[in-house]
Amino acid sequence: AQRVTQPEKLLSVFKGAPVELKCNYSYSGSPELFWYVQYSRQRLQLLLRHISRESIKGFTADLNKGETSFHLKKPFAQEEDSAMYYCARRGAAGNKLTFGGGTRVLVKP
Amino acid sequence: DTGVSQDPRHKITKRGQNVTFRCDPISEHNRLYWYRQTLGQGPEFLTYFQNEAQLEKSRLLSDRFSAERPKGSFSTLEIQRTEQGDSAMYLCASSFLGRESRGANVLTFGAGSRLTVL
Repeated sequence: AQRVTQPEKLLSVFKGAPVELKCNYSYSGSPELFWYVQYSRQRLQLLLRHISRESIKGFTADLNKGETSFHLKKPFAQEEDSAMYYCARRGAAGNKLTFGGGTRVLVKP
Repeated sequence: DTGVSQDPRHKITKRGQNVTFRCDPISEHNRLYWYRQTLGQGPEFLTYFQNEAQLEKSRLLSDRFSAERPKGSFSTLEIQRTEQGDSAMYLCASSFLGRESRGANVLTFGAGSRLTVL
């Protein structure tokens, strides 16, 4: 079965500090990886996807097939980054997304 | 078009009652997904449609759950004989099938329908 693991339920950092959210996925062919974010009282929305190789809101994520990881990083966290972050994968054979359990990020002033 | 719409936003019901949720996807999206999310967990896949065809169902979707998308536009998710364990947020998402570009194959989520079974 496809699995996505986010080992940290909560990350608390100070404003301006780096933040890294870990995501590991079960190996299966060539998965497509995503990070979704949910700000307070808002709906789940796409943050970035690995095929785009973009930096969104200062966040980047690198797909490491050897370690089956897709960690999300930002060098200088801002208070507006406080939110729930979900890592997700789509397998080569399917169309559905499988989500991890989520990591709550709290950026303190 | 204001995105993916879900109705109702909140539903409180007694155990044993039937409930139905509606999802209106983004109009040009041909794929529609239902997910369930409980407190402290990520969204769990339930089922998805491409146009009016239901292409995949999760084992989570017991025989008390049924989803339809009769005309390939809006979808309904019905839960019969609700149980307290059905209490959750039910999320709908849609996407369009296409070449990998900025928007193709990316799920856009609705705000969800929260179900509370007493």
